[in-house]
Amino acid sequence: NAGVTQTPKFRILKIGQSMTLQCTQDMNHNYMYWYRQDPGMGLKLIYYSVGAGITDKGEVPNGYNVSRSTTEDFPLRLELAAPSQTSVYFCASRPGALQETQYFGPGTRLLVL
Amino acid sequence: GQQLNQSPQSMFIQEGEDVSMNCTSSSIFNTWLWYKQDPGEGPVLLIALYKAGELTSNGRLTAQFGITRKDSFLNISASIPSDVGIYFCAGPRFTGTASKLTFGTGTRLQVTL
Repeated sequence: NAGVTQTPKFRILKIGQSMTLQCTQDMNHNYMYWYRQDPGMGLKLIYYSVGAGITDKGEVPNGYNVSRSTTEDFPLRLELAAPSQTSVYFCASRPGALQETQYFGPGTRLLVL
Repeated sequence: GQQLNQSPQSMFIQEGEDVSMNCTSSSIFNTWLWYKQDPGEGPVLLIALYKAGELTSNGRLTAQFGITRKDSFLNISASIPSDVGIYFCAGPRFTGTASKLTFGTGTRLQVTL
């Protein structure tokens, strides 16, 4: 199993550009999450999904969109990049409701200039 | 929103020393998770605690679930250079359609030879 994979590893965007951060897991986990981690800070939840076709907002959803068309994939979209979205983005997955442990991907480092 | 406070914020220790860190909350958690984040990587689960008073070990790491359910402790014995990283506590809260993890502010550990 590759676990949770994220692409790209690093990206520089200009203000106003859009991009999609990819996240894939091969563990057949129902639950998937997107977090952002600002320098020196903990992780803040952006969006999450409890299964294909179901998504919900987290703590800091503004400026982002998600979709979950398959169990494996949970892409995060930035429509109009802003400097405040400069951060490291982590995707995580979890088997289901009875297991709290989340498994994280390696992260995507995003710089908006 | 809910915040988990970790202390100390950072530690500089010598190889071979023991390390203690803690995590406190203003409200009760039923599960405590401890993660480690290596530089440039995603968090990796170290220990999961499910019961008040529980003491669980993973190699040189020992974590305890506080009896009040509002705190948890992580100890590392005989530190080695690869212990360097950021240690996060996390606890789940059920809101919306699923439980979500609240992460602590992190304890940054530096180990010198």
